[in-house]
Amino acid sequence: GAVVSQHPSWVICKSGTSVKIECRSLDFQATTMFWYRQFPKQSLMLMATSNEGSKATYEQGVEKDKFLINHASLTLSTLTVTSAHPEDSSFYICSARQGLEKLFFGSGTQLSVL
Amino acid sequence: AQSVTQLDSHVSVSEGTPVLLRCNYSSSYSPSLFWYVQHPNKGLQLLLKYTSAATLVKGINGFEAEFKKSETSFHLTKPSAHMSDAAEYFCVVSVPAGTDKLIFGTGTRLQVFP
Repeated sequence: GAVVSQHPSWVICKSGTSVKIECRSLDFQATTMFWYRQFPKQSLMLMATSNEGSKATYEQGVEKDKFLINHASLTLSTLTVTSAHPEDSSFYICSARQGLEKLFFGSGTQLSVL
Repeated sequence: AQSVTQLDSHVSVSEGTPVLLRCNYSSSYSPSLFWYVQHPNKGLQLLLKYTSAATLVKGINGFEAEFKKSETSFHLTKPSAHMSDAAEYFCVVSVPAGTDKLIFGTGTRLQVFP
């Protein structure tokens, strides 16, 4: 089946630095990708919808200047957490849509900000 | 508002015994409902989905779920657990039906003992 690769799987960074997370669809083109965030013992929450070649659509309450999303090609979307703070520590996961209906998820990135 | 409630954060069963993972939903619309599984260090994998066709949905690996509108439930079952079933399971609703906006439950961790 289709594979979505998410990298890195975990990252530790200092407060104030920026972290980039990559989401790649390995064997299909994804015009739309999605970024989710999950706090411990909570649901995955949709942060934004990333469309190739256009600006991302952010969910209410998500700071677009803090969580920069770039979908520069049909196989790659990146999420950059800018000026990270400890409260940004979370599990981030992406998904990519194949065609009209199929969604495939990456394995997630655990971000820890010290 | 749409929501999903997974009634158990942890379920433990012995290998060979039945599995029941409970999920209730709240929706003003006709929902599409999904069960996803996540094994350690792997992406979320779709087990099965309900999209207003047959109320009993069969998925991969012997899992099935029954949509019960009167009870607003979509419980996941399997007659006989296997060690490889140990994972995190998410009940998910998309509303309006068929859209990309997914609302996740908080997950149920299934443990299978030999």
